[in-house]
Amino acid sequence: GAVVSQHPSRVICKSGTSVKIECRSLDFQATTMFWYRQFPKQSLMLMATSNEGSKATYEQGVEKDKFLINHASLTLSTLTVTSAHPEDSSFYICSAQPWDLAKNIQYFGAGTRLSVL
Amino acid sequence: GNSVTQMEGPVTLSEEAFLTINCTYTATGYPSLFWYVQYPGEGLQLLLKATKADDKGSNKGFEATYRKETTSFHLEKGSVQVSDSAVYFCALSDRTGNQFYFGTGTSLTVIP
Repeated sequence: GAVVSQHPSRVICKSGTSVKIECRSLDFQATTMFWYRQFPKQSLMLMATSNEGSKATYEQGVEKDKFLINHASLTLSTLTVTSAHPEDSSFYICSAQPWDLAKNIQYFGAGTRLSVL
Repeated sequence: GNSVTQMEGPVTLSEEAFLTINCTYTATGYPSLFWYVQYPGEGLQLLLKATKADDKGSNKGFEATYRKETTSFHLEKGSVQVSDSAVYFCALSDRTGNQFYFGTGTSLTVIP
C-alpha cells in the first residue's frame, strides 16, 4: 500500500527556534499534500494544501509566515514552524494524495509531536 | 456546506462485544465517506471507505454502509478485540478529494 513517511516523529525545541518537518510519499507521486494540526482530544484541522511547484493555500486563520510550506518535488513537502512558541506545541500530521490512483484518497504520515519549551 | 458528526466518546467495551460508532454527514453533491483509525501516538490510517450510496466498506472485521437516505456511515464490528483500542474518525471528501472533513473522533477502549 501507499506509504507516507513523516520525520521527525517527535521534536522538542526552545522558544524562538525554527523546526522543519518533512513529509515524503515513499512509493507514489503526490501532486497534492496536506498539513493538519491536531490538538489533544480534538479532530484534525487542515492548515494548508500544497501542490508541487506552486505556493501553498492556507486555511483561514493560519499564518503563512509562521508556517512555511515548501513542496519542491512530487514526493516531498516540508513544513517549517518559524520562531516557535509554546502555543505552537501540537501534533502535526501530513497527508498525500496520489495523482495516479483514486483521487479521493489521502494517505497520512505518522505525525510529528512538537513541544516548544 | 460539508460536515461530519460522529458520536462522542469515550466508548469502553469488553472484549468480544459488538461495536457501533455512529456517523452522520451533511454534504453537497456526492461525497465519498471514510473511516480512519488513529492508534496512540500515531497518525491516521485508512480503515475503510465507500464512494457511492449503498456501498459497503469493510476491513479487519469492521464494516460501514453508505446510507444516502439517512446520510449516515455508521461503523460496526461484531466482536472487538483489545487491539482495536484507538480513536476512530469519520470523514468525507468531495469528488475532487481535495477537501476532507473530519468528525471529532471517538475514542474506543476495549478491556479484556
